[in-house]
Amino acid sequence: DAGITQSPRHKVTETGTPVTLRCHQTENHRYMYWYRQDPGHGLRLIHYSYGVKDTDKGEVSDGYSVSRSKTEDFLLTLESATSSQTSVYFCAISVGGLPYEQYFGPGTRLTVT
Amino acid sequence: TQLLEQSPQFLSIQEGENLTVYCNSSSVFSSLQWYRQEPGEGPVLLVTVVTGGEVKKLKRLTFQFGDARKDSSLHITAAQPGDTGLYLCAGEDAGNNRKLIWGLGTSLAVNP
Repeated sequence: DAGITQSPRHKVTETGTPVTLRCHQTENHRYMYWYRQDPGHGLRLIHYSYGVKDTDKGEVSDGYSVSRSKTEDFLLTLESATSSQTSVYFCAISVGGLPYEQYFGPGTRLTVT
Repeated sequence: TQLLEQSPQFLSIQEGENLTVYCNSSSVFSSLQWYRQEPGEGPVLLVTVVTGGEVKKLKRLTFQFGDARKDSSLHITAAQPGDTGLYLCAGEDAGNNRKLIWGLGTSLAVNP
């Protein structure tokens, strides 16, 4: 158990509203990631963080922003949700040295109506 | 652009059968990881292979890393319904901020 929690686990929101998803880890790992998972597309990296206030974009970052003010929390914000952002969102951490294995949270299922 | 291609995309078999899932790329990876994901849950790491030609066994699951470190396979012997799930491979590109390259997955259904 990598001690990763995500909140909320499920959310339904309307188009145009802001949404923030939270990822919390208990073990102070430096690297954290946000993915979305969609049928036919697999896991796609949205943003990642390599330390407090150190973040960078992944392959599908448009429409998303992140913040990491504490080691244990990594927040993903949809500034103005769109139906194309309906997805399952996973947070992951990378532990230890080489090889860089990742451990995942339970996911958040987001529906934008 | 690095890609990992998994095959087959879907597999439905009867309990007791054997199966092999493939993960192929034209790129070299420093390691190759296999994950299993069950419905409603996050992926769970099964194994990491690091050395070209390496074979690792996890009970009825056998993982192999290609000699050139571009491909990998997962073989399941005498599949059981509990093996049902989505199998994902991910390649590590050393030095790339620990980002992984993901395959699209193989969805396995083992029928009793």
